[in-house]
Amino acid sequence: GNSVTQMEGPVTLSEEAFLTINCTYTATGYPSLFWYVQYPGEGLQLLLKATKADDKGSNKGFEATYRKETTSFHLEKGSVQVSDSAVYFCALRTGGSYIPTFGRGTSLIVHP
Amino acid sequence: EPEVTQTPSHQVTQMGQEVILRCVPISNHLYFYWYRQILGQKVEFLVSFYNNEISEKSEIFDDQFSVERPDGSNFTLKIRSTKLEDSAMYFCASSEIQQGANEQFFGPGTRLTVL
Repeated sequence: GNSVTQMEGPVTLSEEAFLTINCTYTATGYPSLFWYVQYPGEGLQLLLKATKADDKGSNKGFEATYRKETTSFHLEKGSVQVSDSAVYFCALRTGGSYIPTFGRGTSLIVHP
Repeated sequence: EPEVTQTPSHQVTQMGQEVILRCVPISNHLYFYWYRQILGQKVEFLVSFYNNEISEKSEIFDDQFSVERPDGSNFTLKIRSTKLEDSAMYFCASSEIQQGANEQFFGPGTRLTVL
């Protein structure tokens, strides 16, 4: 079956630090990979996605590269801001399924 | 920007009581979903709903659960007799279409606490 494993949080950083949140997956077939973000009091929002190997998704300064050889989709940002404080969810979908398989979420706390 | 809304944000109930969680999907969306996240665990799919029918459900969605679209705007999840293990964050989502790369838009969630 499909599964997503994310690094445990919380991740606590100072403003302008470099961020990496690790995500690895197990899937049958060739999944599409996603990162969602949930800001306090809001719903999960799609942050970025990649649909095939070596694709790089990017949005709002965040990037993630689909690495088929390591089955990974790590989220990175070069310089985090306090406003990036949120919970980040890695997810995948396979085939024609509309149902994402989510990880547990990783809380990011950025201090000024 | 249109968004999915959910009420209440937090519901506390006694074990054995019925609860109804409410969602207002984005107005032109046709497909509706419920997910849940038990604290510290993964977000899990519960059910999808289209054209006034359940289109798919997970093994979690047993006879204690039901969904309804009672009018043109609301989409509800009912838990008939709550158990302690139903304590979780419940997310509603909606989408225009179901297949392919179509994006689901999620609400902020309702935190259900069963005592």
